[in-house]
Amino acid sequence: DGGITQSPKYLFRKEGQNVTLSCEQNLNHDAMYWYRQDPGQGLRLIYYSQIVNDFQKGDIAEGYSVSREKKESFPLTVTSAQKNPTAFYLCATQGESNQPQHFGDGTRLSIL
Amino acid sequence: RKEVEQDPGPFNVPEGATVAFNCTYSNSASQSFFWYRQDCRKEPKLLMSVYSSGNEDGRFTAQLNRASQYISLLIRDSKLSDSATYLCVVNMLDGGTSYGKLTFGQGTILTVHP
Repeated sequence: DGGITQSPKYLFRKEGQNVTLSCEQNLNHDAMYWYRQDPGQGLRLIYYSQIVNDFQKGDIAEGYSVSREKKESFPLTVTSAQKNPTAFYLCATQGESNQPQHFGDGTRLSIL
Repeated sequence: RKEVEQDPGPFNVPEGATVAFNCTYSNSASQSFFWYRQDCRKEPKLLMSVYSSGNEDGRFTAQLNRASQYISLLIRDSKLSDSATYLCVVNMLDGGTSYGKLTFGQGTILTVHP
């Protein structure tokens, strides 16, 4: 989606390193989400935020952290506590309840 | 039982064929329903929302059966470009959030061959 920008497209993490994935949107959507997708698997919710300065854990939050200081931005940090970080990370936004979510084009994270 | 279950697939069909996917959901209070398609190594993209009365968009028809708690997607006159993974998505009521919670099925792989 043109209104959601994820960067970088590819990211490599060294042992013990924290890395941050960026998600920026210009859709003026209140709700933002982070998902993880493993090969051949469905999407799993990591964290979500429905308003600035507030966020909630999803189903697999351990080893991850987020912040929501601005409406447009919802960065995800993959900490060294996440022992199996290799996956495809997707950021999504949602304008209103009962509306679909729209996705950025994702970040692929691998371990060096 | 999974919250959202889809046909396991994969489906391999010739061009021009009609193919149907089914999806069941466990939470009867679910509010809204969607089909997404996901191409290999790409993000999911909304294909269509699913309404109670059923809806059609060109070669694609979506149906919702609330009594039986299932959603279907019918693709007519399949094209090579329809090859993708199709994700069934259900928005369930969740007391912790006013947006509900979107739950994704595992996806069904469709391959359309010449």
